[in-house]
Formats: sequence, structure tokens, C-alpha cells
Amino acid sequence: ETGVTQSPTHLIKTRGQQVTLRCSSQSGHNTVSWYQQALGQGPQFIFQYYREEENGRGNFPPRFSGLQFPNYSSELNVNALELDDSALYLCATELAGGRNEQFFGPGTRLTVL
Amino acid sequence: AQSVTQLGSHVSVSEGALVLLRCNYSSSVPPYLFWYVQYPNQGLQLLLKYTTGATLVKGINGFEAEFKKSETSFHLTKPSAHMSDAAEYFCAVSVHQPNTGNQFYFGTGTSLTVIP
Repeated sequence: ETGVTQSPTHLIKTRGQQVTLRCSSQSGHNTVSWYQQALGQGPQFIFQYYREEENGRGNFPPRFSGLQFPNYSSELNVNALELDDSALYLCATELAGGRNEQFFGPGTRLTVL
Repeated sequence: AQSVTQLGSHVSVSEGALVLLRCNYSSSVPPYLFWYVQYPNQGLQLLLKYTTGATLVKGINGFEAEFKKSETSFHLTKPSAHMSDAAEYFCAVSVHQPNTGNQFYFGTGTSLTVIP
């Protein structure tokens, strides 16, 4: 049990739609990273937020955006969904002053039709 | 640039046999190294990590890994496989970037099957 929760568990959208995925962590976890895990692949880094500001970004287009809130929750927004966006989306949080360890949520399975 | 290579996307062992999952990394700075396990339809669970100090790291569920800088490897082992070890295993490297914090890079994973 990592104390990191994600919602929803599963989601089905159609191409061109927009989606918002949510992540909630424990108090003090002020760094959150989002990953995309396609079927049969390892997690790919999308971006990281630290104290409500983007703190690093992977090779993902601007239609992937995020927000982090003071209550240790965060969102991943994806606009203009494409079929290839179908994947498991994972958030991972880090404790402030922690030991470089990420705590992962169970993920949101997004299917784009 | 940082990268992680996991040799063997599928590994099968008999119950009670040695488990060896291979991981090689590439990093321009001293890395932190991790092994995660993922069960079906679940997130990733940390098995063990190497940051500094002793190069042989012990983790949960009887797993251990040895950091070998000269070989740029961080292979995961367990002396005796159990049926419950069947899962997907990911090796990851973390690098601290001055302006962007800790960035994690994952391998493509190794699926472990345990044969009764």
C-alpha cells in the first residue's frame, strides 16, 4: 500500500475527445510524476511537477498537460485523444526530502476508440 | 543520456530454481538504480534500490541485486523462485538533474513465469 490513489480505474474515450486523470497522495509528497505505460512496455516519463510547477518533461506533445494542487493531488489532461494514447497511466509521488524513491499509484487504464 | 536495457523480455524458471533478471544501464552521472515489480492490473511496487554504499542490495521477498559499475549492470536475483514471484519486473535508473529534479528511466520489462 503506497498511499497513492488514482481515478478513475478505467476509462473509455473516442478519438478527438479530452480526458482528465487524477492522482492523490499523502501529505508531504510534493513531487509527482506521470508516466504512460503502453501494453508490453515500460513506463515512459511524461512530466514531473514540484510545488505546483512543471519540473521536467519527457518526449510528449503539448496536448499532454498537468496540474498539481496544494493538497497533494494532481491531474493529467490529454487533449485531442489519439488511438495511440491508449495505455495505463501511472502517477508516482516522492516525499519531500525523501530518499529518491517514487511511490506509484495503481494506474488508470485509458482506452481510445 | 540515460537508458536502461533489460535482457530477455520473458524468463521462465522452475519453482525453487534461481531467478536471474538482467539489467544494464547507461548514465552520464552516477545513477540511482531500482527494481520494481508489477502484478497484473496494478501499479509498480519497489523491490529494492541502490543509491550509495554497499553494492549488494537486499530487497523484499528475498530478492537482491548487485551494482557493478565496471559492467554497468544491476542484475536481480533470488535463490529460490516461488509461484507468487510470477510478475513483470522493471529496472529503472534515476538521475538528478539540477533544474528538473529526479528523472526516472525504465527498461521495457521482463516477464517472469514460474513453472510448478
